[in-house]
Amino acid sequence: ETGVTQTPRHLVMGMTNKKSLKCEQHLGHNAMYWYKQSAKKPLELMFVYNFKEQTENNSVPSRFSPECPNSSHLFLHLHTLQPEDSALYLCASSPLTGYNEQFFGPGTRLTVL
Amino acid sequence: GENVEQHPSTLSVQEGDSAVIKCTYSDSASNYFPWYKQELGKGPQLIIDIRSNVGEKKDQRIAVTLNKTAKHFSLHITETQPEDSAVYFCAASEGSARQLTFGSGTQLTVLP
Repeated sequence: ETGVTQTPRHLVMGMTNKKSLKCEQHLGHNAMYWYKQSAKKPLELMFVYNFKEQTENNSVPSRFSPECPNSSHLFLHLHTLQPEDSALYLCASSPLTGYNEQFFGPGTRLTVL
Repeated sequence: GENVEQHPSTLSVQEGDSAVIKCTYSDSASNYFPWYKQELGKGPQLIIDIRSNVGEKKDQRIAVTLNKTAKHFSLHITETQPEDSAVYFCAASEGSARQLTFGSGTQLTVLP
């Protein structure tokens, strides 16, 4: 596989469920990101990881819990979500040197019932 | 922090015509300006970027211009084709920062 992959591509969950989103990058990058994309809104940065260390948390509610076990993998653990959390969740990666060229995965379309 | 404004929000052009999308930014320290194309059901794809040490960059039918004094940059697509129909996002970043600030997107429709 090449680039940035995300699984699952679609997820429907109830408010009491626990689920996880997975992201994997095959680009040799050392920075990884989670974004939320809602209809008619700019992309919202949620978390940034550099070399597995979280460096940014943009006031994201604790019901979203990221995990970065290594530079190639990123997870977003979800629990007790709200219907307003329904959105497209995008993962991206970038090299840590040079400019911030970010490469995105296809996203996970999340629906919270 | 950085603020990026993008216009227009929707743009329809006839096939073969040119399309221009404009963005302004607020942070004079920003020095990297990428453009992304997002097709339906896909993630954003980096299509072109420009660094602050140049004023224009071209790649086939796509070009980007940057005016650092006025703090605005634009995407130009010439000879548009139906497959250019997508949502386009601009973004800005200060080189050492790990955050991209995105514009709100432009839905481009190329009419056959």
